[in-house]
Amino acid sequence: AQSVTQLDSHVSVSEGTPVLLRCNYSSSYSPSLFWYVQHPNKGLQLLLKYTSAATLVKGINGFEAEFKKSETSFHLTKPSAHMSDAAEYFCVVSDSSDKIIFGKGTRLHILP
Amino acid sequence: EAGVAQSPRYKIIEKRQSVAFWCNPISGHATLYWYQQILGQGPKLLIQFQNNGVVDDSQLPKDRFSAERLKGVDSTLKIQPAKLEDSAVYLCASSPEGGRWGRTQYFGPGTRLLVL
Repeated sequence: AQSVTQLDSHVSVSEGTPVLLRCNYSSSYSPSLFWYVQHPNKGLQLLLKYTSAATLVKGINGFEAEFKKSETSFHLTKPSAHMSDAAEYFCVVSDSSDKIIFGKGTRLHILP
Repeated sequence: EAGVAQSPRYKIIEKRQSVAFWCNPISGHATLYWYQQILGQGPKLLIQFQNNGVVDDSQLPKDRFSAERLKGVDSTLKIQPAKLEDSAVYLCASSPEGGRWGRTQYFGPGTRLLVL
């Protein structure tokens, strides 16, 4: 059975400092992993996805994530936070068992 | 390209009433999803269509929820009768790729339902 755990419900960072949002997954099969962002009153938007190609995945707006099979992790990072990054972030796992599972989300706060 | 359209954007009803939501996916997208997002939680997949066939409805409360996708394009999700715990945002998404793995989903703005 699949599962996904976002380890922090809230993360606060100062503008210009690095961002780390943590995600661990469990899957019986080779997974696809995604990060989606949800800005207030806006639809979910794909940031990046991993589908068994390069383990370091680059996404939009300077975000990237690294797939680590040994640690069953897919953490999202950004070198320098911007005020516009304040939003809810969801880690998603999908595999050939056809199930799609969203994490509970991490709300990112950017301090001026 | 136009995005996923949903209507209405907001709906307030009383418990035991019926409600329907409409979704128009991105043109040419074969796969359509309905999700329920309760406040403070991640979206939960209710039903997934491939063209007009159901791929997965294992988490759809079939005693009160129903969904259809006529002609493999638009879709409607209905709740009858509604309960207080159905208060949530209902999200529709579509995907262009075939198969069941690694697909990017494009989400609509959602319909916010409040059941009183």
